[in-house]
Amino acid sequence: QQKVQQSPESLIVPEGAMTSLNCTFSDSASQYFAWYRQHSGKAPKALMSIFSNGEKEEGRFTIHLNKASLHFSLHIRDSQPSDSALYLCAVSILLSGSFNKLTFGAGTRLAVCP
Amino acid sequence: ETAVFQTPNYHVTQVGNEVSFNCKQTLGHDTMYWYKQDSKKLLKIMFSYNNKQLIVNETVPRRFSPQSSDKAHLNLRIKSVEPEDSAVYLCASSYPGQGDSDYTFGSGTRLLVI
Repeated sequence: QQKVQQSPESLIVPEGAMTSLNCTFSDSASQYFAWYRQHSGKAPKALMSIFSNGEKEEGRFTIHLNKASLHFSLHIRDSQPSDSALYLCAVSILLSGSFNKLTFGAGTRLAVCP
Repeated sequence: ETAVFQTPNYHVTQVGNEVSFNCKQTLGHDTMYWYKQDSKKLLKIMFSYNNKQLIVNETVPRRFSPQSSDKAHLNLRIKSVEPEDSAVYLCASSYPGQGDSDYTFGSGTRLLVI
């Protein structure tokens, strides 16, 4: 069964800092790798996703995937107080040819202080 | 507005009662899911339906049962609730397969069993 682990559990950074969040997974057949963000009392929302090795940048956010190391990460440049939230990494494999089952990590709670 | 809609937002009930939660998506997705988020914010999949067919039925207690009338609706019924059922129940939907595997979540139903 897929195991997804995140580190650190929580993080406090000053405004403007670079933030790095990590995620490891156990199933080398995994095909979809994503970060979700959940603000307090709200629904988790997809932030970024990647399917192949390498990097993908969208604004201040960069996702980096290394399938051989079973690891991917999220980097937030110029962190803002509005980035304060629970960050969930998620990994999926395709089942029955077309269905993807998403397994989530336990989350990293990020606080960005002004 | 296209999104995932859940009702009710909150529900307080006594041990042994039956409860039912509703979920509707207007995104045209083929697959819908129920996740349970516990007090530590861990998200665990409970059920998934692809076009009215059950695809994944994780080892949840038998008192939980999903109900789907069409691919846009997936309800969750709990017969005889127990204190450990207190949690946030999140409904989500997605397209199956690669290319667009991001999940869209509803805002959740918070259940408190007293």
